[in-house]
Amino acid sequence: QVQLVQSGAEVKKPGASVKVSCKASGYTFTSYGLSWLRQAPGQGPEWMGWISPYNGNTYYAQKLQGRVTMTTDTSTSTAYMELRSLRSDDTAVYYCARDLSGSFHYFDYWGQGTLVTVSS
Amino acid sequence: DIQMTQSPSSLSASVGDRVTITCRASQSISNHLNWYQQKPGKAPKVLMYAASSLQSGAPSRFSGSGSGTDFTLTISSLQPEDFATYYCQQSYNTPRTFGQGTKVEIK
Repeated sequence: QVQLVQSGAEVKKPGASVKVSCKASGYTFTSYGLSWLRQAPGQGPEWMGWISPYNGNTYYAQKLQGRVTMTTDTSTSTAYMELRSLRSDDTAVYYCARDLSGSFHYFDYWGQGTLVTVSS
Repeated sequence: DIQMTQSPSSLSASVGDRVTITCRASQSISNHLNWYQQKPGKAPKVLMYAASSLQSGAPSRFSGSGSGTDFTLTISSLQPEDFATYYCQQSYNTPRTFGQGTKVEIK
């Protein structure tokens, strides 16, 4: 069965960086894109960007350009999301999600979420 | 960015009730509209895609309709496990954007 398993919770100080991992299993990793999303307390999810594990192509949300980097390691079927220059409003649960694309795009499998807390 | 607006933001209903949630896009998105259910402490789970297609494994009491800018999610007979927050999401273009959510509570 398809599973996306994320790394554990992180506490960071403002200005620091965080790197969250997402290990995929149960499907061919390079056959599907992966999106990263985050959800601040009491808010709807926010899409952060997308990566193709097949060729490493990325597309980032404009508001995060320059602060976010998404990568994959196909040897371990793991995706990574690094966010730099953290601010208090980056405090959120971060999710990876498989991006099912064809005629229609939607997120059909999600990781369990990683809480990132930014606090001095 | 395409803005997605849901209404109501919350509702109270009883088991067995018919429930309808609406979602409006700030521009036409054809039928590139998905619905997700989220329970506390869990990741969202897709219920509907392409506005009216039921995701495999989702209960048949869920249905979706709409095209262009106006969409609805209907639960034909609310069950105890349906008490959750529901989000619409457009996949017409990037950035993918979500509504603010509709919380369905027990009356």
